[in-house]
Amino acid sequence: GAGVSQSPSNKVTEKGKDVELRCDPISGHTALYWYRQSLGQGLEFLIYFQGNSAPDKSGLPSDRFSAERTGGSVSTLTIQRTQQEDSAVYLCASSLTWSWNTEAFFGQGTRLTVV
Amino acid sequence: GQQVMQIPQYQHVQEGEDFTTYCNSSTTLSNIQWYKQRPGGHPVFLIQLVKSGEVKKQKRLTFQFGEAKKNSSLHITATQTTDVGTYFCAGMGTYKYIFGTGTRLKVLA
Repeated sequence: GAGVSQSPSNKVTEKGKDVELRCDPISGHTALYWYRQSLGQGLEFLIYFQGNSAPDKSGLPSDRFSAERTGGSVSTLTIQRTQQEDSAVYLCASSLTWSWNTEAFFGQGTRLTVV
Repeated sequence: GQQVMQIPQYQHVQEGEDFTTYCNSSTTLSNIQWYKQRPGGHPVFLIQLVKSGEVKKQKRLTFQFGEAKKNSSLHITATQTTDVGTYFCAGMGTYKYIFGTGTRLKVLA
């Protein structure tokens, strides 16, 4: 696609429910990243994919968080048993490859609100 | 682990005044990137610096990379209301972009 696409753009869920967030990266981009941004805060790294594999899952806050990427393209971030502190904007970014001189292209984000 | 800090956290300026944000890394960087995030928007890439002491300009924006490749700055000359947003620097860690804490700029007309 023309840009990184994320869905849904907004999600309100009840505490304890599971949610699934989707990211469709730019076509041909092999590197995909998930970040989380709480209100007025910086960008917290969650996970990185190169192709379908995730060499770095170090940023996932707990075992309630998981992510997968299939076909080297679309990625889903799943949060199980959501809690109020999970409320944030979840940003997905892709780059041509993981390299020190490539720029990241961000999607518009999914604003998650846990009530 | 590698940390990237930015100062100031917030800056309010009168339109027409200059603005500078500073980025400091705990480790030497191979490169530094700068992103801008408009209110309610997503980060958008502005520029990348690679060489020690490098200076790049984009219209009213001047970017510098320190000699030791551990710090960087973004200077905006004669700010405009369109400059409003949060400016992030980012260094490349292993398998991730490590973003600075960001500087939120407000421009008062």
